[in-house]
Amino acid sequence: QLVLTQSPSASASLGASVKLTCTLSSGHNSYAIAWHQKQPETGPRFLMKVNSDGSHYKGDGIPDRFSGSSSGAERYLTISSLQSVDEADYYCQTWDTGTRVLFGGGTKLTVL
Amino acid sequence: EVQLVESGGGLVQPGRSLRLSCAASGFTFDDYAMHWVRQAPGKGLEWVSGISLNSGSIGYADSVKGRFTISRDNAKNSLYLQMNSLRADDTALYYCAKDLYGSGGYPNYWGQGTLVTVSS
Repeated sequence: QLVLTQSPSASASLGASVKLTCTLSSGHNSYAIAWHQKQPETGPRFLMKVNSDGSHYKGDGIPDRFSGSSSGAERYLTISSLQSVDEADYYCQTWDTGTRVLFGGGTKLTVL
Repeated sequence: EVQLVESGGGLVQPGRSLRLSCAASGFTFDDYAMHWVRQAPGKGLEWVSGISLNSGSIGYADSVKGRFTISRDNAKNSLYLQMNSLRADDTALYYCAKDLYGSGGYPNYWGQGTLVTVSS
């Protein structure tokens, strides 16, 4: 069964870097995922699609501070030079023809 | 500039129906799949339904299958969600989203949402 697992919370200091992790369930190492940012009172924002080989396609206007990578069943979102505006919920998401679209539980990022 | 504007939300009693609409602009609507995604209060994002560019492929979350129907009118650049037999747990902010592809599952633009509240 296709499942995406995210830590419920993460925190890092202003100006530092943080690496968020999304783990694909066993047998799904080849799946691409997408990262979305969700801030209060606004619709989600597509950040990037990350492939199993670590290549990624970023959304329009997404700063270079945001990058994606992969290792095995894990997909990562790294945010460098953290700003207060980066405080948000981050969701990973994937798709297959059977399960259709699936979201992880989300990670709440706190910028200290 | 891609714009997605949802409408049609509101307060509705359990068991009743509601139809959501999404007006799209700023891109060639009939080149892309579209989705409805919802977020219940205090919860995460939940995919509701998706439709391919020519309506040839349609999918639903198990939680809404048999009650909700997605459709699109490419001539009107519009996406719809007909919601029947509404339940309290359908209460959520409903987002319309454009896909990266014509038939796929990677939303890359989102609307601001329309609120659906199911309550007696």
